[in-house]
Amino acid sequence: DVKVTQSSRYLVKRTGEKVFLECVQDMDHENMFWYRQDPGLGLRLIYFSYDVKMKEKGDIPEGYSVSREKKERFSLILESASTNQTSMYLCASETGLNYGYTFGSGTRLTVV
Amino acid sequence: AQSVTQPDIHITVSEGASLELRCNYSYGATPYLFWYVQSPGQGLQLLLKYFSGDTLVQGIKGFEAEFKRSQSSFNLRKPSVHWSDAAEYFCAVGGTTDSWGKLQFGAGTQVVVTP
Repeated sequence: DVKVTQSSRYLVKRTGEKVFLECVQDMDHENMFWYRQDPGLGLRLIYFSYDVKMKEKGDIPEGYSVSREKKERFSLILESASTNQTSMYLCASETGLNYGYTFGSGTRLTVV
Repeated sequence: AQSVTQPDIHITVSEGASLELRCNYSYGATPYLFWYVQSPGQGLQLLLKYFSGDTLVQGIKGFEAEFKRSQSSFNLRKPSVHWSDAAEYFCAVGGTTDSWGKLQFGAGTQVVVTP
């Protein structure tokens, strides 16, 4: 089975810190995604990447950036964390065919 | 604007009773349609998907969904729920012209199963 691994399950950071959320997939998938999950809002797309060094903004990119230097790794960066970025962050990879998504277990980030 | 609506934020159902979760979408054409489930502390798992063809789709864990073009709906059903079905359920759409494999999700429906 394809695995998508998010490096941290829980994370607590201070306001203003630079935060890195890491995601690694092991099945050579082309597409990778970062979603943010909030109660009552569902999942919202932050950024996605369809190839190494390629990135596209999703619906809510403000305050975030991403990096994809290798095919298997897609990092989400909070340049200066703020309390309104406290959320659950889900990474996913997708085969590029028929929406074959695999999600990671998520990182619950708390910014204090 | 394109949207996915799950009208029910929270549903409580007795174990053994039937379950129906509603999903409506607003797109110019028929998109690809999905239902995902998220158990506590877990990522999302695909229950079923509809691309074309038979409008009644069978999925895993005994779930099915019916696509109704006239109502722009893709409702999820299960005839008899089990305690393990307590989870959050998300409807999602993809396949629109600029989607690039992206999915747009509804707000989710939390399902509570009582004994």
